[in-house]
Parts: sequence; C-alpha cells; structure tokens
Amino acid sequence: DQQVKQNSPSLSVQEGRISILNCDYTNSMFDYFLWYKKYPAEGPTFLISISSIKDKNEDGRFTVFLNKSAKHLSLHIVPSQPGDSAVYFCAAKDFGNEKLTFGTGTRLTIIP
Amino acid sequence: DAGVIQSPRHEVTEMGQEVTLRCKPISGHNSLFWYRQTMMRGLELLIYFNNNVPIDDSGMPEDRFSAKMPNASFSTLKIQPSEPRDSAVYFCASSRQGIGVQPQHFGDGTRLSIL
Repeated sequence: DQQVKQNSPSLSVQEGRISILNCDYTNSMFDYFLWYKKYPAEGPTFLISISSIKDKNEDGRFTVFLNKSAKHLSLHIVPSQPGDSAVYFCAAKDFGNEKLTFGTGTRLTIIP
Repeated sequence: DAGVIQSPRHEVTEMGQEVTLRCKPISGHNSLFWYRQTMMRGLELLIYFNNNVPIDDSGMPEDRFSAKMPNASFSTLKIQPSEPRDSAVYFCASSRQGIGVQPQHFGDGTRLSIL
C-alpha cells in the first residue's frame, strides 16, 4: 500500500520556467512533509519541508504548497536551473514518529 | 561539518556470503536510520535507532538481516547469508531529535551486488 505517491516518474522543463512536482498521500495521520533532492551516486539531500498547520512554505526559488483536504502537496521551483536536474522525493511523517514514508520519486530534467 | 559516512561505497560478493555495511552518523545526532532503495520498492525504511536503541525494525525483510548500534557514532547492517535479491543501494541517515521536526541527513549509500 503506497501511502505517498508521486504519479509522474519524469518531468522535463525549459530552463527559466517553473517546475511543478506533485505528491499525493493517503494517510490522514501525516502531519509533516519533506522534499528531498537526489543526484546520481549520492544520497538524498533535504530541500524544504512543511508542517500540516501551514499551507505554504518558501525558501528562495523553492516553494511547497500543502492542500490538506485534497491530501496533496506540490513543490514549485522558479526559475528552473540546469543544476535542478535530479530526482525529487516527497516524504511524510506522522506526529510522534520519526519514520519517513517516501514516494517513488520524480526525475526532473531542465532543458537549457 | 562531516556528513553521514558509509562504507564501503560498493560491495560485490557471491550469494551465501556475509555482508556488513557500516555507518557513522553526524556527530550530535541521536537518531539513525537504515534504508534500502530498489527499482521495485523505491526507498524503504528498514530499521531506526534512537539513542542507540532500536525503535522500529518492522521494515527488516527477514531474519537474515540484522542491525546494531553499539555506540552513538557507529552502526552496522549485516546480511547473512546474502541472496541476489538483496542487491540494492543501502542508505544510512541520521537526525537530531529535539524541538521541532529535524530532517534526516543521508550518506551517499552502499551499492550492494550479490552474484
């Protein structure tokens, strides 16, 4: 049972445009969400997070939006840069539990 | 600051052999996690420790897998005997449990191939 789903395995975006990566979850006990970025032959790197008490969190070019009623979150990258080409993982945790449940990832390719 | 350090980076061994993966968490971090990444199942948690104590090992696939954390700066994941289906990338991560939610920091993984 996949509790965190990233339905787009890949996404290509022109440099300078906006990249939007999506993530859906099924477990209503999740109260904290994170995005990780992964380059080949490296471990995932933490990018940005959001608590369920918020609907938006921004950090530079990266913004995460949370829609609790739809159990959906998205990561916006603007403007997209070639160095953003990587696999992006959505992850979720519930209160009082350190376990992270990961989605299967979306491979983002930024076209110069 | 040194990140999470995993060794070896690559391991190729024959079926039936014992495999030991090692992890040094970030200094000051009190939670440690072992993950496995495969094409079929993605990134899945195997086990995690808090203050060197195993908290949740429900993700450990079977008795062939065991993990230890003898002290705050070292952990091992052992597979004995190894099987071809154990081939995957194994990641170790650590975090500092405290006020608020702290993100997990990952090592660069061990790519394991069982022939």
